[in-house]
Amino acid sequence: AQSVAQPEDQVNVAEGNPLTVKCTYSVSGNPYLFWYVQYPNRGLQFLLKYITGDNLVKGSYGFEAEFNKSQTSFHLKKPSALVSDSALYFCAVRDAQTGANNLFFGTGTRLTVIP
Amino acid sequence: DAGITQSPRYKITETGRQVTLMCHQTWSHSYMFWYRQDLGHGLRLIYYSAAADITDKGEVPDGYVVSRSKTENFPLTLESATRSQTSVYFCASSEIDPPSPLHFGNGTRLTVT
Repeated sequence: AQSVAQPEDQVNVAEGNPLTVKCTYSVSGNPYLFWYVQYPNRGLQFLLKYITGDNLVKGSYGFEAEFNKSQTSFHLKKPSALVSDSALYFCAVRDAQTGANNLFFGTGTRLTVIP
Repeated sequence: DAGITQSPRYKITETGRQVTLMCHQTWSHSYMFWYRQDLGHGLRLIYYSAAADITDKGEVPDGYVVSRSKTENFPLTLESATRSQTSVYFCASSEIDPPSPLHFGNGTRLTVT
């Protein structure tokens, strides 16, 4: 079975400070991992993905994520938060051994960047 | 504008009625998906399609029907709407494997009274 946990419903950070949004996953095989962002009244937008290779993945808008196999984590990070980063963030996982491109999503973390 | 379009954006219907949510993509992506988004559950997969005339169940398929006669369209039908189907529905598409990012529509907010 595949699952994703985002332990924090809400993360608040001051503008200019580093931000971290946490994600842990569970799959039986190797994971494909994704981060998406959702702005109000919009669909999800792709930020970055980990398939294989370098554990540090860089994505859109200055975001990056670190894959940690031993801790089964894929935390999203940004060195300096912007007010415009305020949004709902979703982590998603897919087992690399499955045949379909369907993802399992976490429940989301609402990020608020305080000016 | 190229992309993925969902219609309607908002829909109110009564319990027991049939309702169809439309999804159209202009990229000719092979894969299409329907998710529902509910508070506390994140996004849950309802149905997906790997190509025209090929569909498969996701995590929460009960009460829903899909079809895909053309690559670009993937309608979702609620055969007899229930209040528990009040949700925001997202359609998405992606290129064929290797794992490609999903491209989402802007959603349909469905209220069943």
